[in-house]
Parts: sequence; C-alpha cells; structure tokens
Amino acid sequence: QVQLQESGPGLVKPSETLSLTCRVSGASVSSGNYYWSWIRQPPGERPEWIGYIFYTGSTNYNPSLESRVSISADKSKNQFSLRVRSVTATDTAVYFCARDALDGIDYWGQGTLVTVSS
Amino acid sequence: DIQMTQSPSTLSASVGDRVTITCRASQNINIWLAWYQQKPGKAPNLLIYKASTLESGVPSRFSGSGSGTEFTLTISSLQPGDFATYYCQQYNTYSRTFGQGTKVEIK
Repeated sequence: QVQLQESGPGLVKPSETLSLTCRVSGASVSSGNYYWSWIRQPPGERPEWIGYIFYTGSTNYNPSLESRVSISADKSKNQFSLRVRSVTATDTAVYFCARDALDGIDYWGQGTLVTVSS
Repeated sequence: DIQMTQSPSTLSASVGDRVTITCRASQNINIWLAWYQQKPGKAPNLLIYKASTLESGVPSRFSGSGSGTEFTLTISSLQPGDFATYYCQQYNTYSRTFGQGTKVEIK
C-alpha cells in the first residue's frame, strides 16, 4: 500500500522559507514511472500544482511559482522535499505531497496546513 | 498556461439523481484529463483518467467522456457518499492545472 506523509512547520513568518518533507512508503522515489509532486490548496479554493521531481532528478515547476520554489529528493531516505522562499500570506494553504502516475495523481498525502503569519 | 473551467459551480441534487458536470479547457488537451472527488478535510481522490478510464475501485456509476476542449463527468445515480466537490485536471503538458470545482450538495 502506497503511503505519503508530509512533515514540517505549520507556521512560517513572512519573508522566510517554507520547508516541507514527504516520506514515501510502499513505493520508491527512484521509480521511473512516476512524478513525485507537491500540490497546495488555499482554504476554499481549487488545488494548485506546485511542481514535481522525476527519478532522474529533473524538475518542473508551476511558472507562477518557479522563481521561489525548489523540489529535491533523497533516494536513500525515500523522501522528497519542497522549499518555497520569501513567503507571504498568499502562500497559506494545505500542502499535499502526491504521486503523479502520468495518468492522474493516484496517491496523496493527508495534507498539512501551513500558515504564513508573524 | 492552460485554463480549466467547470460548470456549474454548485449543483443541488437528490439521492438517485443523474448528474453531469462539465469541464472546458482553454486549448486542445486531447484526452489528457482526470477527475477527482474531494470531501472536506481530505485529499482529492482520483476517479477517472484519460477522460474516460475509471480508476480501479471506483464505482461504475461514475463515467467520463469528451476530448479536445470539452469534457463531462456523469454520476448515473447519486449516492449519499457522492455529495462532495469534484475537480477536473489537465495533464496535456508538463504542467497540471485544476478546474475551480463543482460542489454537489443535497437538494
């Protein structure tokens, strides 16, 4: 059974860096068949794709976030991470890590609420 | 960027009703469309991919159709557990975008 679990601070100050990690079990981030993804959802809004990392280490990001976002993977720990720099209140959202099967996003973490506030 | 627009935004229906949700893409996405169901406080759940292929374990009352720029999700007979918000999502390019959602509520 594939499981993903997000972890990281629930509160980040404006202008600082948001950092989250996703631990994967039941699947390998070294697998060539999937994109390991981050998606966020502000309260009451639609999900917003942030980006993903492929097993080769190549990444793709949402153009609207690309200048502030980076995704990396640690194959030895079977996990991947998200960093969002220079956060503002508009970055407040539930952040999900997920497995993109190239035909839909088939497994999601439970999500973690990150609030940007001083 | 490919924009996805769903209609209606809210749909009121009763158990047993047939309901249809429409999703339009701002440009041709072939069949590269997925549908998700989301309940409050939970992650979205994949229902359909490639516009019309049912994800394993999803009840057959859910079906999808369409190609190009216009797509539909149909629930043939609404069940109590189907009251939720539904999102379409395109994956035609390297990026992914979601529709704004359709909330199916009890009439």
